[in-house]
Parts: sequence; structure tokens; C-alpha cells
Amino acid sequence: QKEVEQNSGPLSVPEGAIASLNCTYSDRGSQSFFWYRQYSGKSPELIMFIYSNGDKEDGRFTAQLNKASQYVSLLIRDSQPSDSATYLCAVNKGSGGYNKLIFGAGTRLAVHP
Amino acid sequence: GAGVSQSPRYKVAKRGQDVALRCDPISGHVSLFWYQQALGQGPEFLTYFQNEAQLDKSGLPSDRFFAERPEGSVSTLKIQRTQQEDSAVYLCASTLEGRGTDTQYFGPGTRLTVL
Repeated sequence: QKEVEQNSGPLSVPEGAIASLNCTYSDRGSQSFFWYRQYSGKSPELIMFIYSNGDKEDGRFTAQLNKASQYVSLLIRDSQPSDSATYLCAVNKGSGGYNKLIFGAGTRLAVHP
Repeated sequence: GAGVSQSPRYKVAKRGQDVALRCDPISGHVSLFWYQQALGQGPEFLTYFQNEAQLDKSGLPSDRFFAERPEGSVSTLKIQRTQQEDSAVYLCASTLEGRGTDTQYFGPGTRLTVL
């Protein structure tokens, strides 16, 4: 079992819809979780992080964390074609206070006009 | 500079050659990370530096991989006797400090192709 699992997609949604991206992790002791966006041929860029159970909102993005179910999700409201990218879920495994990020394989999102 | 820079952006090596990949982190950033990203996969952690100290090298796949950051700024990832399975994008990232929720800023990566 991989430490961080994501559906590879592609997830296809129409413009203006809500895109829901999901991620599960295996280490119950994990404390902080990150969502990165990676456009084709580019480097990952941070969307947001979450470390408390519940929802965290930032603009059109909402991260949801359920530690009991070991589940993290990212919702993108009012999806735009420019949101088409691969979305990477990452879990912090660093024990010394630093971010040793373990990434999932990513979910490819396609937003069509 | 404004962001993390890496060079070269592309490298083609014949199997068995040694390569050196360079990373210039954001000025003043204490922490530096190297990742390997195979096609269609997420980045995989290789190693971590805090200033010049290499505090975690648990992700280096073999003793052919070596990283250094002698003055606590620029870092070099060296791969000796390259193999075809080393073909990947090598990403460098830096953070201002070493806290668990610090944002990692990634460089553009070096795409290594081993023939």
C-alpha cells in the first residue's frame, strides 16, 4: 500500500462546476497535509495546507481533513479551464520539524468550457 | 533571485556517465530539499539540508547519489555511473526556515535523460 493514494484521473468537470479531489494516507500519525498544483512541464506550487480536522477555505479552494478516516480532499468551486492541471496531495513525514513531504501520484483535472 | 533556480534545465547522459545538477535556493532560505519525479508520478523525497548540514538523506536511492551544500546556499546533486532508471525530473525546493508548515518553493527542475 502506498503511503499517499490518489485517483490518477483524469477527472473531467465542466466550467463553473465544483471539482472534488480526494486523497487517502496510511500513517495515522500524520499531522499536516498539503495540496500542490502542477501544470504540465512545470514545478509544483502550493495551494494550501491543513492540519486540523474540518474545512479550511481559501478563495475558491476548500481543503477538508478527516483524520479518523485518514482522508484529505480538495474542493475547487467555480472551476475554470485554467484550473486544468495535476493536483498533488502530500503528507508531512518529517520528525525533526521540517517538511519531509510524501506525495501521491496526483490527480489530473480537466475543466472543459 | 526571485525564485529557486536550477541548472541545467535539461541533461542527456550516456549510461555510466556522472552528472551534477545545481540548485540555487531563494536567498536567505535555510532549508533545501531535493526530489525526484518520474513521469506520471509525484515527487519523491531524496534529501534535506538545513544550512550546510545534510540532516536527512533517507530518500537517496543508492550510493551513486550524493548531495552537498557546502556553504549553506547553493546545492549540488551528483549522480555517478548513471543508469536508465535515473531518468526523471530532479526538483529542488527551499523554505525560509525549517518549520513543519513552511511553504516549499520549487525550482523548475532538471530533466535528466539517460540513454
